[in-house]
Amino acid sequence: DGGITQSPKYLFRKEGQNVTLSCEQNLNHDAMYWYRQDPGQGLRLIYYSQIVNDFQKGDIAEGYSVSREKKESFPLTVTSAQKNPTAFYLCASSIARTGPIRGYTFGSGTRLTVV
Amino acid sequence: AQKVTQAQTEISVVEKEDVTLDCVYETRDTTYYLFWYKQPPSGELVFLIRRNSFDEQNEISGRYSWNFQKSTSSFNFTITASQVVDSAVYFCALSEAGLSNDYKLSFGAGTTVTVRA
Repeated sequence: DGGITQSPKYLFRKEGQNVTLSCEQNLNHDAMYWYRQDPGQGLRLIYYSQIVNDFQKGDIAEGYSVSREKKESFPLTVTSAQKNPTAFYLCASSIARTGPIRGYTFGSGTRLTVV
Repeated sequence: AQKVTQAQTEISVVEKEDVTLDCVYETRDTTYYLFWYKQPPSGELVFLIRRNSFDEQNEISGRYSWNFQKSTSSFNFTITASQVVDSAVYFCALSEAGLSNDYKLSFGAGTTVTVRA
């Protein structure tokens, strides 16, 4: 079955460390997205990528970095510059940059906690 | 500015009551898409409906119904005869291209629905 796999499901990070969240899709989707969810604030866009080797900042990109070396993969690195990284992170994909004709597919999320 | 506003933070109802979730959006695009998602406690987002800006027909799917009104920029969601399994956070979302020409999804803050037995 096609879908998006996010790993790990739970992640603990010490202050000052970088961590990388994995997002892999086998849907042959062109576009991929990273969202952060905090209680009471909905989901906010961190980064997105419409094609391989290209990505754009979203609304809250500071303290994060991404890469898109393969169509299937869009890993997110939470750097030590991100002052409040504890949150729930969701990855999504869609079929085309010309519009969400068939909607978006979401992964099951990674819950990151700074300890 | 908030593109999607869900005015109700929390709603609590007794089973079998109807519940309506409000969603107001803001966009300058003529072509855009509106979505509703359900997020149960497990965290994944469950797709409920997608509407494009040219289709103002209301829709009913079982106990769920949606009222899209472009004149008031609203896309409200009603659960009829609510059940305990409807307890979740519900998000309204807007997908628009804007100046970047890339469609991106913007979410409202969500409404937590609690259905009591």
